[in-house]
Amino acid sequence: DAGVIQSPRHEVTEMGQEVTLRCKPISGHNSLFWYRQTMMRGLELLIYFNNNVPIDDSGMPEDRFSAKMPNASFSTLKIQPSEPRDSAVYFCASSIDLNTEAFFGQGTRLTVV
Amino acid sequence: GIQVEQSPPDLILQEGANSTLRCNFSDSVNNLQWFHQNPWGQLINLFYIPSGTKQNGRLSATTVATERYSLLYISSSQTTDSGVYFCAVVRSNSGYALNFGKGTSLLVTP
Repeated sequence: DAGVIQSPRHEVTEMGQEVTLRCKPISGHNSLFWYRQTMMRGLELLIYFNNNVPIDDSGMPEDRFSAKMPNASFSTLKIQPSEPRDSAVYFCASSIDLNTEAFFGQGTRLTVV
Repeated sequence: GIQVEQSPPDLILQEGANSTLRCNFSDSVNNLQWFHQNPWGQLINLFYIPSGTKQNGRLSATTVATERYSLLYISSSQTTDSGVYFCAVVRSNSGYALNFGKGTSLLVTP
């Protein structure tokens, strides 16, 4: 298996623009997680899904952030409008079920200028 | 929320040396993972170890859930072991999010 696949690997955008990050979980995994890594806050959860249904979005910073999982093999994280403080590495992870071993993608490094 | 404390925060070793990294957590957990973040930023799974002891080559880990700590042992360290080691836990009866420690930054010199 190719593992969790994220795209793009790097994204540079101007403040105010919409940004969409994409994730393909490992085939057969029913749970998908979005995390964000910054120097100040470390790695923190944004949202997770189980069987394509959002379970906990309490980590989503504000209404500018939204996430969807239209099917078992694809999820998006959208930021609209983007701000410089959104600059971070965004990781997607998947697991067979909730509370089983999670595997991370290579991350998307987002820079908002 | 749960507190996850890792020690030491930084570690410099000479190639061939052994080391022990520690992870303390403040509440009961039902999932614990160790990761290695390499210099390219990739998070690599090392162990899924809610309890007990596991070994994988030069690495081994032990989690004593009742005493709320886990240890990661690195033996005969190599320069490729450099990077940041993270401990992450899922708090019992509190959702399924991994809560990460701040990591141990390891540098192995030739």
